[in-house]
Amino acid sequence: DGGITQSPKYLFRKEGQNVTLSCEQNLNHDAMYWYRQDPGQGLRLIYYSQIVNDFQKGDIAEGYSVSREKKESFPLTVTSAQKNPTAFYLCASSIRSAINTEAFFGQGTRLTVV
Amino acid sequence: GENVEQHPSTLSVQEGDSAVIKCTYSDSASNYFPWYKQELGKGPQLIIDIRSNVGEKKDQRIAVTLNKTAKHFSLHITETQPEDSAVYFCAASRGAAGNKLTFGGGTRVLVKP
Repeated sequence: DGGITQSPKYLFRKEGQNVTLSCEQNLNHDAMYWYRQDPGQGLRLIYYSQIVNDFQKGDIAEGYSVSREKKESFPLTVTSAQKNPTAFYLCASSIRSAINTEAFFGQGTRLTVV
Repeated sequence: GENVEQHPSTLSVQEGDSAVIKCTYSDSASNYFPWYKQELGKGPQLIIDIRSNVGEKKDQRIAVTLNKTAKHFSLHITETQPEDSAVYFCAASRGAAGNKLTFGGGTRVLVKP
């Protein structure tokens, strides 16, 4: 059963701590993305990766870091430098193609800073 | 960069009526326009998409229209049902350079029985 798995579903973090969100896909997609969603708002791109060992900043990369050591995995670290980390985080993947293709989303991780 | 505006932010319709959501975009190089449906606590799911070489596309009760000259596209849902209640997002992308989607702010649709 192919898809994207994000874990955990809910995550609580104390201020000043780094936390890593997991994203795994078994769709054999080259490209992976991280989006942030705040209440009542659209999705904003944090980081994306088109191929293993390569990634680029999105629109709101400050305070976040990523790695892409394996095709299947694209973890996101929310660092203590992120001023307002409480949000719903969504991971997505797509085929890397010369034309646009559908982006498949995971079920999200809700991060709360306590 | 690309900017996508979506209206209205909330939409309440009676079951069986039609719902229309409109989006405008700023980057004339954008050529792919998907629509996603997001149910509470879940990730968005693609419901329909359109490419810039097509003006209209239909899939059962859902249709999307695109006006490249005016840089706007719309989602039409006919014969709405309670299960259509969700948040809908439009998005735009300019293609091969990473397929990065820029999303509109979303429309919360409530279908009243």
